Amino acid sequence: KNQVEQSPQSLIILEGKNCTLQCNYTVSPFSNLRWYKQDTGRGPVSLTIMTFSENTKSNGRYTATLDADTKQSSLHITASQLSDSASYICVVSALAGKSTFGDGTTLTVKP
Amino acid sequence: DGGITQSPKYLFRKEGQNVTLSCEQNLNHDAMYWYRQDPGQGLRLIYYSQIVNDFQKGDIAEGYSVSREKKESFPLTVTSAQKNPTAFYLCASSMISGGIYNEQFFGPGTRLTVL
Repeated sequence: KNQVEQSPQSLIILEGKNCTLQCNYTVSPFSNLRWYKQDTGRGPVSLTIMTFSENTKSNGRYTATLDADTKQSSLHITASQLSDSASYICVVSALAGKSTFGDGTTLTVKP
Repeated sequence: DGGITQSPKYLFRKEGQNVTLSCEQNLNHDAMYWYRQDPGQGLRLIYYSQIVNDFQKGDIAEGYSVSREKKESFPLTVTSAQKNPTAFYLCASSMISGGIYNEQFFGPGTRLTVL
């Protein structure tokens, strides 16, 4: 069964600090992995998308890594800001097209 | 502006009533999706459609119905058969190229509350 597990479930950090969110998956055959940011009460917005051949991708202060061998991905946020407070969702798609969503990590950035 | 719109943003319904949530996209995407999100949980797929006049059940289709009469529209009806309909509903769309579904773009969501 295809699964996506994210950790931690929630995280609190101080403004300006860095943090790393984890995503482990068992989706096969693998097509792509996406990280989304979802503000409270809003729809998710894409941060990065990586295919099998890509092992790192950046979007401003967000950097995603992918290890297709161990089936792990991480999202690193540098110099956090209050506006980074949100839920971060890892989504892994199989070659057949079906996407499996993780439950998300809720990040709170405090001043 | 290109994008996905959902309406209304907030919706209240009495028990036993059917209600229809609207989703429109002008991205010329082939595929459209409906998800349900409950507090602290991930998105769960209700229905999806790859082409006009065709749609497939997702993981939690019971109590829901959809139609795809136009490429840009994919309305979701929450019927009285849905036992616990209070949730946040998200619509998404994506292109399909070479048989592969591409990145999904999400609408702003509709929060449904059953009174």
